[in-house]
Amino acid sequence: DTGVSQDPRHKITKRGQNVTFRCDPISEHNRLYWYRQTLGQGPEFLTYFQNEAQLEKSRLLSDRFSAERPKGSFSTLEIQRTEQGDSAMYLCASSVTQGAREKNTEAFFGQGTRLTVV
Amino acid sequence: AQSVTQLGSHVSVSEGALVLLRCNYSSSVPPYLFWYVQYPNQGLQLLLKYTTGATLVKGINGFEAEFKKSETSFHLTKPSAHMSDAAEYFCAVRALRKLTFGTGTRLQVTL
Repeated sequence: DTGVSQDPRHKITKRGQNVTFRCDPISEHNRLYWYRQTLGQGPEFLTYFQNEAQLEKSRLLSDRFSAERPKGSFSTLEIQRTEQGDSAMYLCASSVTQGAREKNTEAFFGQGTRLTVV
Repeated sequence: AQSVTQLGSHVSVSEGALVLLRCNYSSSVPPYLFWYVQYPNQGLQLLLKYTTGATLVKGINGFEAEFKKSETSFHLTKPSAHMSDAAEYFCAVRALRKLTFGTGTRLQVTL
């Protein structure tokens, strides 16, 4: 499968625990996005990377959240001291750019990681 | 800034009937517009997109959408609904490198 891969697909954790999610983008896609989707809502932008550089963070991304893309390939999203309000689907997407423009102008999404905080 | 409004959080149609899902957008720059479909506990799959050029765009599974700049709309249609079309549909606008999504429309298809 050459699509965007996310791991795990489901995560149940107790409030206060830390969790980490992984995203493997499509090979050669240099741009990687994280979105959060709560029940009954559309996805909301969290952050994105161009190669290994994190270029933008939403104000939704509190200081308990951190994302990395250390070698410009896979990315991790960590949530520290989880709260019940963090329960959501976390979606990763990737795209490819050509110069300053996105070559295909579309982002390809993974299956998501569903987080439940109890 | 950009935003998307999807009118109708739930739409129900009979199998074989016309599907019409409404989307209006606002954008401070010329927009790229997208429709995505999401099945339960799945990620998003691209149905179609408008970037430049022809304002009527065709996508997968028989869906199409028309970009109307004067109405700031990008409504999604399909002439004949199939049971397999039952899903959540999201309209999105891309500007300044990120997608902004609407709240989604759940399409129900009945026999």
